[in-house]
Amino acid sequence: GENVEQHPSTLSVQEGDSAVIKCTYSDSASNYFPWYKQELGKRPQLIIDIRSNVGEKKDQRIAVTLNKTAKHFSLHITETQPEDSAVYFCAASMGNNNAGNMLTFGGGTRLMVKP
Amino acid sequence: NAGVTQTPKFQVLKTGQSMTLQCAQDMNHNSMYWYRQDPGMGLRLIYYSASEGTTDKGEVPNGYNVSRLNKREFSLRLESAAPSQTSVYFCASSADRNDRPQHFGDGTRLSIL
Repeated sequence: GENVEQHPSTLSVQEGDSAVIKCTYSDSASNYFPWYKQELGKRPQLIIDIRSNVGEKKDQRIAVTLNKTAKHFSLHITETQPEDSAVYFCAASMGNNNAGNMLTFGGGTRLMVKP
Repeated sequence: NAGVTQTPKFQVLKTGQSMTLQCAQDMNHNSMYWYRQDPGMGLRLIYYSASEGTTDKGEVPNGYNVSRLNKREFSLRLESAAPSQTSVYFCASSADRNDRPQHFGDGTRLSIL
């Protein structure tokens, strides 16, 4: 099955700096890669996603890049703000299957933005 | 449009008690999922249901059962709760296509003494 590894597990940055979180996946058939943000005590919420036919996608201060050859994808947050502090999860779809959109999640990155 | 609704939000059980966690979605999604999240850890899939009438085991199914009551509702049952099942439980749903995101409920915080 799919295996997703996420690094780093914790990341501390100064407000205004950039943050980068990296994920690798094992199943070359995976073709959908969402990122979720989870604030303390809250549910995971989708912040951005990318499909395999696209190499990069941006949404304001957030961008995701995908390298299918190397089987890795990254989340980039620019001009970080204290409200960006949360746990971020990457995930990969297992490709075509009979289980809707089954996702395999990375272990999470705790991002702390210092004012 | 409430999205994914879970009940209850909090529950404390004694070892050996049983309980059912409820989940309902109003997005007309075919697929639904149950996860558990332990402190400082990621999401582990317990069971999923690709469509009404079907259920399958995920990564950590032992000690749990599920029922897909209809298209909207997917319940998770603990028959004999154990302290190791203390966790936060999230329900999620998604459309059929494998390039569509999962939408999560607010979670049920379950403590087993």
